[in-house]
Amino acid sequence: QKEVEQNSGPLSVPEGAIASLNCTYSDRGSQSFFWYRQYSGKSPELIMSIYSNGDKEDGRFTAQLNKASQYVSLLIRDSQPSDSATYLCASSGAGSYQLTFGKGTKLSVIP
Amino acid sequence: DAGVTQSPTHLIKTRGQQVTLRCSPISGHKSVSWYQQVLGQGPQFIFQYYEKEERGRGNFPDRFSARQFPNYSSELNVNALLLGDSALYLCASSFGHGDQPQHFGDGTRLSIL
Repeated sequence: QKEVEQNSGPLSVPEGAIASLNCTYSDRGSQSFFWYRQYSGKSPELIMSIYSNGDKEDGRFTAQLNKASQYVSLLIRDSQPSDSATYLCASSGAGSYQLTFGKGTKLSVIP
Repeated sequence: DAGVTQSPTHLIKTRGQQVTLRCSPISGHKSVSWYQQVLGQGPQFIFQYYEKEERGRGNFPDRFSARQFPNYSSELNVNALLLGDSALYLCASSFGHGDQPQHFGDGTRLSIL
């Protein structure tokens, strides 16, 4: 059973701080990892994709992948109230076309 | 450019009925996936189609079926609706298969009475 685990939160951070979101996965065959942001009542929106160990930066967002530890993280720098949402971590394996999602972490950025 | 479009936006059905949900992928995308999301959970994979062929099926009963058309649009059909089928149904498209990022439509919210 492939699983992706996330702390459901809520995670509260003050405006301007760094928000750190974490995710672990059980399937060692997983090769591709994605972070989605989902506002309440809306559909998931792709933020980042990461495929190899290390860091990947895109604006205020940094994704980190450690395949040996089966660990993925998302850092949000200079957090804004508009970043308040549920963040979904997802993985897919070699030859598998499906995304396996975690339950999501609810982030609240306090002005 | 238009994103993934889904119709209808909302749907109310009663137990035992049948429903068809529709999805048009982003222009140029050949892969369409369907997911079910219930409140408080992450999306659960139902089907993926690529080049009109089923490439993956999640752990859902045979009441769920889907197909992809030559223009790469897709339909998801659910028969004999149960109360537990109430959920947000999401369609995602990607350029190819495998590890291509998937982009979601706004979803169809299905309520079963």
